[in-house]
Amino acid sequence: DAGVIQSPRHEVTEMGQEVTLRCKPISGHDYLFWYRQTMMRGLELLIYFNNNVPIDDSGMPEDRFSAKMPNASFSTLKIQPSEPRDSAVYFCASSSRTSGQFFGPGTRLTVL
Amino acid sequence: DAKTTQPPSMDCAEGRAANLPCNHSTISGNEYVYWYRQIHSQGPQYIIHGLKNNETNEMASLIITEDRKSSTLILPHATLRDTAVYYCIVRALNSGGSNYKLTFGKGTLLTVNP
Repeated sequence: DAGVIQSPRHEVTEMGQEVTLRCKPISGHDYLFWYRQTMMRGLELLIYFNNNVPIDDSGMPEDRFSAKMPNASFSTLKIQPSEPRDSAVYFCASSSRTSGQFFGPGTRLTVL
Repeated sequence: DAKTTQPPSMDCAEGRAANLPCNHSTISGNEYVYWYRQIHSQGPQYIIHGLKNNETNEMASLIITEDRKSSTLILPHATLRDTAVYYCIVRALNSGGSNYKLTFGKGTLLTVNP
């Protein structure tokens, strides 16, 4: 298995633009997680899905952030409009009910 | 989830065993101990998890005390590539709700020296 795949690996955008991050989980995993990591706040869980259904989105910072999982093999995290404080590394992870979480390589987002 | 306490940093000589401690004195009976690590500029990597018995896999061994209030992650022969931040996390393995959340603390920065 190729592991969790994220795209793009790097994204530089200007304030106010829409940003879409993409994730392909490991086949067979029914949980998908989106995290954000910054120096100041460390690694934070934003939202997670089970069987494509959002279970807990209490970590989503505000209405500018939205996440979808239209099928078992794809998820997106969208920021609209983006702000400089959204600059961070965004990780996607997937797991089964009993396994550990397997993380992707992350997307480094810079909002100018 | 129960809180965990880890030393902020540790050093280990290459080829020697690295023993990383974690205190989780408020752990509940249904909570597992998970270990992850994050090598610089990479995503966190799952290492191992356990409930009460000691566990071993190809990466490491996990020793959990009988009262489950603390645990030790052992890397038997540390290499330079094991230099990373190691996170100890406890969480319940129940279905539903927010029980699948992992709360990452600051972890232990392990530096393996040549």
